[in-house]
Amino acid sequence: KAGVTQTPRYLIKTRGQQVTLSCSPISGHRSVSWYQQTPGQGLQFLFEYFSETQRNKGNFPGRFSGRQFSNSRSEMNVSTLELGDSALYLCASRGQGYNYGYTFGSGTRLTVV
Amino acid sequence: AQSVTQLGSHVSVSEGALVLLRCNYSSSVPPYLFWYVQYPNQGLQLLLKYTSAATLVKGINGFEAEFKKSETSFHLTKPSAHMSDAAEYFCAVSDGGGNTGKLIFGQGTTLQVKP
Repeated sequence: KAGVTQTPRYLIKTRGQQVTLSCSPISGHRSVSWYQQTPGQGLQFLFEYFSETQRNKGNFPGRFSGRQFSNSRSEMNVSTLELGDSALYLCASRGQGYNYGYTFGSGTRLTVV
Repeated sequence: AQSVTQLGSHVSVSEGALVLLRCNYSSSVPPYLFWYVQYPNQGLQLLLKYTSAATLVKGINGFEAEFKKSETSFHLTKPSAHMSDAAEYFCAVSDGGGNTGKLIFGQGTTLQVKP
């Protein structure tokens, strides 16, 4: 059974640009969540999508957005990149039911220069 | 609001010694608790989870954790450390119970295993 796939693994962008990250969940999982990981702030929740609808959102500016497609694949977009957006972005998918854990992908390492 | 506190940002043990990583939580609803491990340049791997069933939870790689409601704790233990256990460990609580995709993470504990 394939795990959560995130692409690309590494990205280097210039301040002011925008970036799109992709996440393919485990087959059958309809919930996809995104997290930002930095040395200073740790792991912070960005948003969650379920059946193409945003179900939950963290405390990030509007420059951070996401969407989910009918096949449950999800993308997140960051516009007008700032140096502080440099981070590891992790995606997690979850199946139905309370006993299901959250499976994480390997992440996308974004560096803003 | 839910929160998680991991006591000790760095823990060092000798190979073969007991591993104890501490986690305390705060939750307004019955908590769903998780321990994850992260190796360098990788994502998070689920070690174990507590979802209101047995209070002693066994996970992968010989790890286990005990849910203690009276102490609001969910400490992670392993009887005998192995060099391959060196990594960063995160405790997390599900925000708002089990029906949510939002996890609140602790700040992490780096485990060093000395030969």
